[in-house]
Amino acid sequence: KAGVTQTPRYLIKTRGQQVTLSCSPISGHRSVSWYQQTPGQGLQFLFEYFSETQRNKGNFPGRFSGRQFSNSRSEMNVSTLELGDSALYLCASSSLRDRASGYTFGSGTRLTVV
Amino acid sequence: SQQGEEDPQALSIQEGENATMNCSYKTSINNLQWYRQNSGRGLVHLILIRSNEREKHSGRLRVTLDTSKKSSSLLITASRAADTASYFCATDAPSETSGSRLTFGEGTQLTVNP
Repeated sequence: KAGVTQTPRYLIKTRGQQVTLSCSPISGHRSVSWYQQTPGQGLQFLFEYFSETQRNKGNFPGRFSGRQFSNSRSEMNVSTLELGDSALYLCASSSLRDRASGYTFGSGTRLTVV
Repeated sequence: SQQGEEDPQALSIQEGENATMNCSYKTSINNLQWYRQNSGRGLVHLILIRSNEREKHSGRLRVTLDTSKKSSSLLITASRAADTASYFCATDAPSETSGSRLTFGEGTQLTVNP
């Protein structure tokens, strides 16, 4: 079955702009989570969505937001970009029926803010 | 902030040798998972061990969990050059919101020399 698909793979934005990243989970997976990875802070949890509802949120400013659609696809948005938002953004999906399989991650979106 | 600490931060071994990575965490958990990441790409789920399990095997991988010490170890036996990657432990902790989130360690960079 197809894996987790993240688009775009690479993105360059200017400070102050906003950006939207997309994630299509594995078919049948209703839980989608987002993580930010930077050299300084490592992997940090952003938020988790399940059935279009945000169930969990990490310690990020309100500039970071997300949503999930009825087909489980998810988007995250970052407004008023700062240089420190440059990172690899990873999306992960999971099935509540098969938690032993852990999470399946996409290849990520590499965001560079200049 | 990272819940887990991993050691060593970097490990260099020869093909055929065994590699052991350790992870410590701070809070109670539902399970602990290990992931591999190649060159800043997406994470690949390796193995999950539940809080009531002490040891688990999967192919060349062996994971142990000591909840009294809040620590885990990942052993890769008979390593290969293709095992070169970063390895992360991640804890899945009980949540008040019934959601799920992974808290990652800082990772161990494993280099297997041919």
